[in-house]
Amino acid sequence: SQQGEEDPQALSIQEGENATMNCSYKTSINNLQWYRQNSGRGLVHLILIRSNEREKHSGRLRVTLDTSKKSSSLLITASRAADTASYFCATDGGSGGGADGLTFGKGTHLIIQP
Amino acid sequence: NAGVMQNPRHLVRRRGQEARLRCSPMKGHSHVYWYRQLPEEGLKFMVYLQKENIIDESGMPKERFSAEFPKEGPSILRIQQVVRGDSAAYFCASSPRLAGGTNQETQYFGPGTRLLVL
Repeated sequence: SQQGEEDPQALSIQEGENATMNCSYKTSINNLQWYRQNSGRGLVHLILIRSNEREKHSGRLRVTLDTSKKSSSLLITASRAADTASYFCATDGGSGGGADGLTFGKGTHLIIQP
Repeated sequence: NAGVMQNPRHLVRRRGQEARLRCSPMKGHSHVYWYRQLPEEGLKFMVYLQKENIIDESGMPKERFSAEFPKEGPSILRIQQVVRGDSAAYFCASSPRLAGGTNQETQYFGPGTRLLVL
């Protein structure tokens, strides 16, 4: 599997439910970020969590990081139709990211059913 | 405060032609990154530049691809003699330079240029 691999690949839930996406990575990191991409658009930065942090909140978003398992999760609470998008985790360093480029996974495609 | 600008948003080229993609970073940002995204895939890092310097081009194909970030003007990603496999979305991101010379970790992305090679 590649650095920054998200799971599941696709997720469909009802509006109002919580959505949880997971990300696993291989190498040591300084930080991990989550981005959102609406269909055919650019990426929007959601949240950054540093390697010495375990949990971070931003509005309806909650991110956890477990460096011992090399994994992170993104929780979106009380989902809305507008949350429909692809969500990517990105790590600094690791294979494919160069010295300062980010390494992205293939993303989780989230669909919120109204 | 305009975000990262990319143009054109869509570009169609025939095989063998050249593609030039432009990126203007956010105001005050001196670090530019280029990424390529194939359909249904995540972004793949290509190159990292600062003004007049290529810092890391480890993700750039060795042939036909080049990038620059001149002292004045936008960053340019140039693809010579395009092939169908170059069809993808190309994203530019920028980040500011913090005191001490390091870049900020958060990268701000442009809307992308979608290249289609016929």
